[in-house]
Amino acid sequence: KNEVEQSPQNLTAQEGEFITINCSYSVGISALHWLQQHPGGGIVSLFMLSSGKKKHGRLIATINIQEKHSSLHITASHPRDSAVYICAVRSTGSQGNLIFGKGTKLSVKP
Amino acid sequence: NAGVTQTPKFQVLKTGQSMTLQCAQDMNHEYMSWYRQDPGMGLRLIHYSVGAGITDQGEVPNGYNVSRSTTEDFPLRLLSAAPSQTSVYFCASRGGGQHNSPLHFGNGTRLTVT
Repeated sequence: KNEVEQSPQNLTAQEGEFITINCSYSVGISALHWLQQHPGGGIVSLFMLSSGKKKHGRLIATINIQEKHSSLHITASHPRDSAVYICAVRSTGSQGNLIFGKGTKLSVKP
Repeated sequence: NAGVTQTPKFQVLKTGQSMTLQCAQDMNHEYMSWYRQDPGMGLRLIHYSVGAGITDQGEVPNGYNVSRSTTEDFPLRLLSAAPSQTSVYFCASRGGGQHNSPLHFGNGTRLTVT
């Protein structure tokens, strides 16, 4: 079983819809990251969180440490949000290395 | 700042050839790492370094070599390329002593081994 599981694997939405991507993990962590990989291949860091909730523009990330679960929400989705969203965790005692989920491919149709 | 710069962007090798993927960062980051990304799998750590002169193996180190002679550069060497090393490779860095600082990624190198 993978230590980091994301769902769904693929997601198609209409422009304007509210989107949720889920991430569950099975190890103790010091932080959880959400990353975005554009169709061109580049990867950027969206959020890093260890508790509670963070918001940046239309993106919101939440984490529940007790349930070992995080969600990434996109409000008022737009075609430019189409990308692969990757969850990664930094496990405690891992020398700072990340364990990555397989990613969720999001396609937002106009 | 240029951030993390990876070269080349694309490369085709024949089985048995060797090559070096270059990675440089100008943010004075202590931690640097190499990942490979394959279809249907998450990014997997090949090698990493927590500072100049220090390197360590990640999850999939076989067939790869690294060195860290300066803070800025972290080259990845393929000693004798195999078709199983066909992948997209990413270099990333983050500030040292800050385990929970974000990773900065290069734009990737798409490698095909025939």
